[in-house]
Amino acid sequence: GAGVSQSPRYKVAKRGQDVALRCDPISGHVSLFWYQQALGQGPEFLTYFQNEAQLDKSGLPSDRFFAERPEGSVSTLKIQRTQQEDSAVYLCASSLAGFGGLQETQYFGPGTRLLVL
Amino acid sequence: GQNIDQPTEMTATEGAIVQINCTYQTSGFNGLFWYQQHAGEAPTFLSYNVLDGLEEKGRFSSFLSRSKGYSYLLLKELQMKDSASYLCAVRFSSNTGKLIFGQGTTLQVKP
Repeated sequence: GAGVSQSPRYKVAKRGQDVALRCDPISGHVSLFWYQQALGQGPEFLTYFQNEAQLDKSGLPSDRFFAERPEGSVSTLKIQRTQQEDSAVYLCASSLAGFGGLQETQYFGPGTRLLVL
Repeated sequence: GQNIDQPTEMTATEGAIVQINCTYQTSGFNGLFWYQQHAGEAPTFLSYNVLDGLEEKGRFSSFLSRSKGYSYLLLKELQMKDSASYLCAVRFSSNTGKLIFGQGTTLQVKP
């Protein structure tokens, strides 16, 4: 596709339920990022992949959060035993390369809006 | 820390000029991005600055002073569709490409 796509766009989960959020980056983009955006706030970094390697997961808030990108393209963010504080928009972004200049510009998907009841 | 500061809200009139400021910690700076985000939509890339000076792209310009840890986004000839949140984001060299975002500035353009 022309841009980053994410699915589902909206997800309602009951507290304690597991959820999986999918990201399809721009074709050929090496780097993939996940961010969490609370209402009225800027995005906060969760994790970063370069191809299939997860190089930075310092932003994952707890061990209930897990991300993978097994073939270096599509990525999945999984949240286990969801809690109300997990309610947020989860944004995925991709960039052509990871180092230097405009090639590192990150292009964002529309996000998945997660509501945990 | 790596705090990025920008005003929470601004209001301007259609046809006018507005400047949105952003300040950041200078240590380890390695690039600054501005994004526009309409409610419920993805952030869209506006500009990138890594050297001092002004970058102009149509009605939008972005300025950077690395020594002062300061940037601004200038929007000219404001249109109603410019009502959105404007996000300042910084890449630090110690980080693996991730962006540190400010909280965003909500701009309301009035007729």
